[in-house]
Amino acid sequence: NAGVTQTPKFQVLKTGQSMTLQCAQDMNHEYMSWYRQDPGMGLRLIHYSVGAGITDQGEVPNGYNVSRSTTEDFPLRLLSAAPSQTSVYFCASSYGGWDTQYFGPGTRLTVL
Amino acid sequence: AQKVTQAQTEISVVEKEDVTLDCVYETRDTTYYLFWYKQPPSGELVFLIRRNSFDEQNEISGRYSWNFQKSTSSFNFTITASQVVDSAVYFCALRQSGTYKYIFGTGTRLKVLA
Repeated sequence: NAGVTQTPKFQVLKTGQSMTLQCAQDMNHEYMSWYRQDPGMGLRLIHYSVGAGITDQGEVPNGYNVSRSTTEDFPLRLLSAAPSQTSVYFCASSYGGWDTQYFGPGTRLTVL
Repeated sequence: AQKVTQAQTEISVVEKEDVTLDCVYETRDTTYYLFWYKQPPSGELVFLIRRNSFDEQNEISGRYSWNFQKSTSSFNFTITASQVVDSAVYFCALRQSGTYKYIFGTGTRLKVLA
């Protein structure tokens, strides 16, 4: 199993550009989520999904969109990048809501 | 409201010392889960332990041990005989039963000096 994979590993954007961060897992996990990690603030939940076709907002959803068309993939879209979205983004998955989350390696995004 | 507090921003110890990382949580639920994750300098997040609110037994895994006390809403993590490889940021997290929303603390950076 590859576990949770994320691409790209690094990305630099200009303000106003859009892009999609990819996340995939091969563990047949129903639950997937996106977090951002900023210095001194820990990890904050952006969006999550409890299964294909079902998504919900987390703590900091503004400026991000998600969709879940398959169990394996959970992409995160930045519609119009802003410098405040400079962060490290982590995708995570778990088998069930009660289960342990396993994290991908992260994507370091810089918005100029 | 749910909250996780890791008051220790950074701790430095000399190798072989014991060190305890504090985690205090707030929740009104009776059923919840607590977690510890390690983030080494390479950046990935590594799961260490999960505890549910009904299991107050302390846990030991090698040099790692966890002390869960509902009376003080604390879930502290102790590393015995620390090693340089233990240098990392450690996060405590809380999840309430019935939701998938995890609340993370701000992390404690542990530096173990040779």
